[in-house]
Amino acid sequence: SQKIEQNSEALNIQEGKTATLTCNYTNYSPAYLQWYRQDPGRGPVFLLLIRENEKEKRKERLKVTFDTTLKQSLFHITASQPADSATYLCALGSGGGADGLTFGKGTHLIIQP
Amino acid sequence: EAGVAQSPRYKIIEKRQSVAFWCNPISGHATLYWYQQILGQGPKLLIQFQNNGVVDDSQLPKDRFSAERLKGVDSTLKIQPAKLEDSAVYLCASSARDRAQETQYFGPGTRLLVL
Repeated sequence: SQKIEQNSEALNIQEGKTATLTCNYTNYSPAYLQWYRQDPGRGPVFLLLIRENEKEKRKERLKVTFDTTLKQSLFHITASQPADSATYLCALGSGGGADGLTFGKGTHLIIQP
Repeated sequence: EAGVAQSPRYKIIEKRQSVAFWCNPISGHATLYWYQQILGQGPKLLIQFQNNGVVDDSQLPKDRFSAERLKGVDSTLKIQPAKLEDSAVYLCASSARDRAQETQYFGPGTRLLVL
């Protein structure tokens, strides 16, 4: 069955450092991969999308890589700030008509001042 | 632009009771999704609508869950009868279904507690 793995434990990073989150998947051939941010009591908010034929995407302080051979995506936040503290969700999409996302459990990121 | 609206925000019911959740997607978004998020887990897709037709309901427990999207705009998700394991946040999301943009926009969710 399809499986998506994200660090289930909280990730503590010092302010100003780069935070790197990992998303690994098995038994899946996604057309694209997305990263969402979720704050307590709120719905997920879209951050970045990367397609199967792309290696890297950037947006401001965010960078995502996608390696379909390793079946892995890395999500980086550079110059991290306490306001970046949240849960980050990795989600895979198959494309086509039925494109509901398959989410990982998320990684809780804590940026310490 | 107004976001995805959901109501109620919180609901507490006893097992075997019925409950309904409402979602109003972003104006013009043809695709609507319902997800279930159990505490400590990522969202799990329950059903996807394209306009007022069902695209995917393979993970919807159809013996107790039902959903409809009349007129292709608002949607209602119903649970009847509820079980303890249905305690979760129910998230509604919508997307424009533009081929170049698969971004989904989520509402704040309805937090359900079944006692």
